[in-house]
Amino acid sequence: AQSVTQLDSQVPVFEEAPVELRCNYSSSVSVYLFWYVQYPNQGLQLLLKYLSGSTLVKGINGFEAEFNKSQTSFHLRKPSVHISDTAEYFCAVSDGPGGSYIPTFGRGTSLIVHP
Amino acid sequence: DAGVIQSPRHEVTEMGQEVTLRCKPISGHNSLFWYRQTMMRGLELLIYFNNNVPIDDSGMPEDRFSAKMPNASFSTLKIQPSEPRDSAVYFCASSGRGRYEKLFFGSGTQLSVL
Repeated sequence: AQSVTQLDSQVPVFEEAPVELRCNYSSSVSVYLFWYVQYPNQGLQLLLKYLSGSTLVKGINGFEAEFNKSQTSFHLRKPSVHISDTAEYFCAVSDGPGGSYIPTFGRGTSLIVHP
Repeated sequence: DAGVIQSPRHEVTEMGQEVTLRCKPISGHNSLFWYRQTMMRGLELLIYFNNNVPIDDSGMPEDRFSAKMPNASFSTLKIQPSEPRDSAVYFCASSGRGRYEKLFFGSGTQLSVL
């Protein structure tokens, strides 16, 4: 069974600063990896996903993530954040080919962007 | 497309009452998920349907919880009787036929059991 650890429950940052949200996973099989964002009073929306191929994945709103198999990590980055990026961010993992494909979510990281 | 539609948005009830949460998935999607979100436990998968058939209900907390999907366009999650510890945000999500498809989430139902 897979599991996801988001190391930071809260990340405060000033507007226009870079940010990295950390995610580590454990799984005994090949994996698919996802980052979702949840704005206040809304459901989760997909930011980006890694299925195969290039380890650097670009998503919406200027976010990107890098898959590192040796470190079992999938950290999310943005070079310059905006106030509107304030939200809860969830990392998720699902088994790849041959697995159940059902995503398991991390506990979430609250990104707080200050002016 | 209207997206995944959940109702009600908010539900306040008293302990012991029956609660029914409703979900309409995106048309054409064949997988439907019910998740529960709490501060203590994060986002937990309760049950998963594929082609209207429950595939994995191992996340359902106890017999007080039940879920149905009578057709491809409607699902319910019922709690009977409800307890204060059931207070949470309940999300419904659906996905398409590709196994790696992203999940589309509804806006959730905020349940408060007094």
